[in-house]
Amino acid sequence: EAGVAQSPRYKIIEKRQSVAFWCNPISGHATLYWYQQILGQGPKLLIQFQNNGVVDDSQLPKDRFSAERLKGVDSTLKIQPAKLEDSAVYLCASSFADSLSPLHFGNGTRLTVT
Amino acid sequence: QKEVEQNSGPLSVPEGAIASLNCTYSDRGSQSFFWYRQYSGKSPELIMFIYSNGDKEDGRFTAQLNKASQYVSLLIRDSQPSDSATYLCAVKPHAGKSTFGDGTTLTVKP
Repeated sequence: EAGVAQSPRYKIIEKRQSVAFWCNPISGHATLYWYQQILGQGPKLLIQFQNNGVVDDSQLPKDRFSAERLKGVDSTLKIQPAKLEDSAVYLCASSFADSLSPLHFGNGTRLTVT
Repeated sequence: QKEVEQNSGPLSVPEGAIASLNCTYSDRGSQSFFWYRQYSGKSPELIMFIYSNGDKEDGRFTAQLNKASQYVSLLIRDSQPSDSATYLCAVKPHAGKSTFGDGTTLTVKP
């Protein structure tokens, strides 16, 4: 089974620039998540999709972050403009839609904002 | 109060010993509980999940759940240096998001 694909693996940008991350979930997984993990902390949910609908985006800083999952498969997360505090690893994960299924993570994108 | 709390550690145990990792959660509606292992610079990977009160064993790993006390733990028997990692506890309400603790860093010394 192919895993969750993410790109790019690393990105360095200057503050106020924009950046986009891409994720392709495991085939058949209806639920897709974007998490932000700051060094030394656990992953924090930014947005959760069920198929192509948003289930939870309560912690997404909507003034600068946006995400979409067109056609209910792959997804993009965008930051514009980036701030220094956005430096983190952005993890995409997917799972089956039921409440008992675990998350499968991609390799993540390490973002550095200078 | 954080939704999911873990001892930050670091926890250090000698090789062959039992490592005990603890997690408490605040949402009584939580239905499923997961332990993920995260090596430095890598993504989290699932170790175990538990849904019912009691113990669940898988090889050297045992997960324990006590919903009345809102407590879940992970025991690692015969700890190996390759077990050195950060262990993340995650809690999921019915059809809801998975909420993670900040993790406990475990070091197993040869």
